[in-house]
Amino acid sequence: DAGVTQSPTHLIKTRGQQVTLRCSPISGHKSVSWYQQVLGQGPQFIFQYYEKEERGRGNFPDRFSARQFPNYSSELNVNALLLGDSALYLCASSLGTGSYSYNSPLHFGNGTRLTVT
Amino acid sequence: AQSVTQLDSHVSVSEGTPVLLRCNYSSSYSPSLFWYVQHPNKGLQLLLKYTSAATLVKGINGFEAEFKKSETSFHLTKPSAHMSDAAEYFCVVSDSRTGGYNKLIFGAGTRLAVHP
Repeated sequence: DAGVTQSPTHLIKTRGQQVTLRCSPISGHKSVSWYQQVLGQGPQFIFQYYEKEERGRGNFPDRFSARQFPNYSSELNVNALLLGDSALYLCASSLGTGSYSYNSPLHFGNGTRLTVT
Repeated sequence: AQSVTQLDSHVSVSEGTPVLLRCNYSSSYSPSLFWYVQHPNKGLQLLLKYTSAATLVKGINGFEAEFKKSETSFHLTKPSAHMSDAAEYFCVVSDSRTGGYNKLIFGAGTRLAVHP
């Protein structure tokens, strides 16, 4: 079975530009989450989408946005890129079946490495 | 609010010796706890999870962790280290609420080095 797939694997952008990252969840998984991992730190929660609705948002500015499509794939958009946005962006999927979502572990993709120059 | 503290940023062991990676948590209610491993330039792989069943949790690749409520700890152990265990390890607590919300809160990570 295919795992969580993310594209592209690497990306280089200039300050002020916009970027779109893509994620395809494991088949059957309805929840997609996005995490930012700055070098040397643990991942930080950005968003969770479940059944195409935003279910949670971390402490990130409005420059960060996301959406989930009817096939449960997802896109993360970042506008007006800053040098500090350079990081590994991880997508994770889970069954996320309602109130039992805490028992549904997240399965992570290999991430998109974003470098902002 | 939930949080985790990984007590060691770096741990170095010799191949064949035991591994101990320490984690303390803070949670206002019975937590769900996880250990994830990240190999260089890879995503995160789930090693094991605790969700209020048995306090001793067995995971993949010979790892296990013990949930100790009185000590608010969830330390990760392995009896005998292998060279392939060298990686970054994250202790994680889940902040979950009804309605499909499931946010993971990661510790800062422990880098495990294994020497021949």
